[in-house]
Amino acid sequence: EVQLLESGGGLVQPGGSLRLSCAASGFTFSTYGMSWVRQAPGKGLEWVSAISPSGVSTFYADSVKGRFTISRDNSENTLYLQMNSLRAEDAAVYFCAGRYCSDGVCDSPPRDWGQGTQVSVSS
Amino acid sequence: DIQMTQSPSSLSASVGDRVTITCRASQGISNSLGWYQQKAGKVPKLLIYAASTLQPGVPSRFSGSGSGTDFTLTISSLQPEDVATYYCQKYNSVPWAFGQGTKVEIK
Repeated sequence: EVQLLESGGGLVQPGGSLRLSCAASGFTFSTYGMSWVRQAPGKGLEWVSAISPSGVSTFYADSVKGRFTISRDNSENTLYLQMNSLRAEDAAVYFCAGRYCSDGVCDSPPRDWGQGTQVSVSS
Repeated sequence: DIQMTQSPSSLSASVGDRVTITCRASQGISNSLGWYQQKAGKVPKLLIYAASTLQPGVPSRFSGSGSGTDFTLTISSLQPEDVATYYCQKYNSVPWAFGQGTKVEIK
């Protein structure tokens, strides 16, 4: 059974940093493209960042580019999101989500999602 | 960047009604369109991918259609357990984009 478990959320002051983790189990992590998607309170889903199965390619929404860094450790089956210079508008539940990639080609939306971790930004 | 626009933003229908939600892309995305169901306080669940392919285990009353810029999600006979917010998502290239969501309620 595919499981994704996020951790690392919490309350941080504006301008502060947090590192989110997503521990994966039940599947071959290195064959999955992984993403972070967030949802502010009462709002819709917003894609934040994505990383290729190998970790070579990374992608970011304009709203977080230059502040957030996505990475992965395929030996530890873990996805990360380093969030710096946090702003009030970054407050949200952050979900990690994965999709199977065949021979490195990812051609589907993410099917597997974690339960999310809450990030609050306030002084 | 490609924008995804859903309509309506909310709807109320009776049990057994046919419900249709539309999603329009600002540029063509072929069939790289997914539909998610998110119940209150829960994680999004993938219902449909490639515009019309039902995810295993999803009830057959759900169906999707469309290609290019215009897509629809249809619930053929609305059930109480279908109360949720539904999102479309384009995934052919980054940046991914979600529609703003359609909240479905029972009348």
